[in-house]
Amino acid sequence: GENVEQHPSTLSVQEGDSAVIKCTYSDSASNYFPWYKQELGKRPQLIIDIRSNVGEKKDQRIAVTLNKTAKHFSLHITETQPEDSAVYFCAASTSEYGNKLVFGAGTILRVKS
Amino acid sequence: DVKVTQSSRYLVKRTGEKVFLECVQDMDHENMFWYRQDPGLGLRLIYFSYDVKMKEKGDIPEGYSVSREKKERFSLILESASTNQTSMYLCASSLWGETGADTQYFGPGTRLTVL
Repeated sequence: GENVEQHPSTLSVQEGDSAVIKCTYSDSASNYFPWYKQELGKRPQLIIDIRSNVGEKKDQRIAVTLNKTAKHFSLHITETQPEDSAVYFCAASTSEYGNKLVFGAGTILRVKS
Repeated sequence: DVKVTQSSRYLVKRTGEKVFLECVQDMDHENMFWYRQDPGLGLRLIYFSYDVKMKEKGDIPEGYSVSREKKERFSLILESASTNQTSMYLCASSLWGETGADTQYFGPGTRLTVL
């Protein structure tokens, strides 16, 4: 089955710097790659996703890149702000019934002001 | 706005008790999921359902069962709770989109402690 590895497990950056979180997946049939943000004590929420027919997607300060050949995808946050501090999870899915997601272990991002 | 609710935010049970966790969504989603979240392990899928009365095992189904009698409700059952089932339990739901996988919307979670 699918296996998703996520690095780093913790990341500290200065406010205004960029942050990059990387994930690798094992199943070449995976074609949907969402990123979720979970603030302390709250539920995970989708922040951006990408499908395998696209190499990059941007939404304001957030971007995701996908390299299907190497089976890895990355989250890029530019001009980080204290409110970006949270746990970020990557995930991968195929188009099977139920769109089962396999999640990475998560990255704790701390933005220091 | 999609709303996914869970029956309890905090629950304390004794070893050997039968435990029911309930999840309700109000957006007519076909798919519903139960995860457990443990530090350093991310979200691990216990069971999911893509239709009423349909269920599929996830990655860690041992010690759990589920029930989906109505489209909006998905229940997780711990047949005989054990201390290693102490965890945060998250429910989620999603549409089955035309292009396949779609956004999963999560409930607030139930923190279960088994003594």
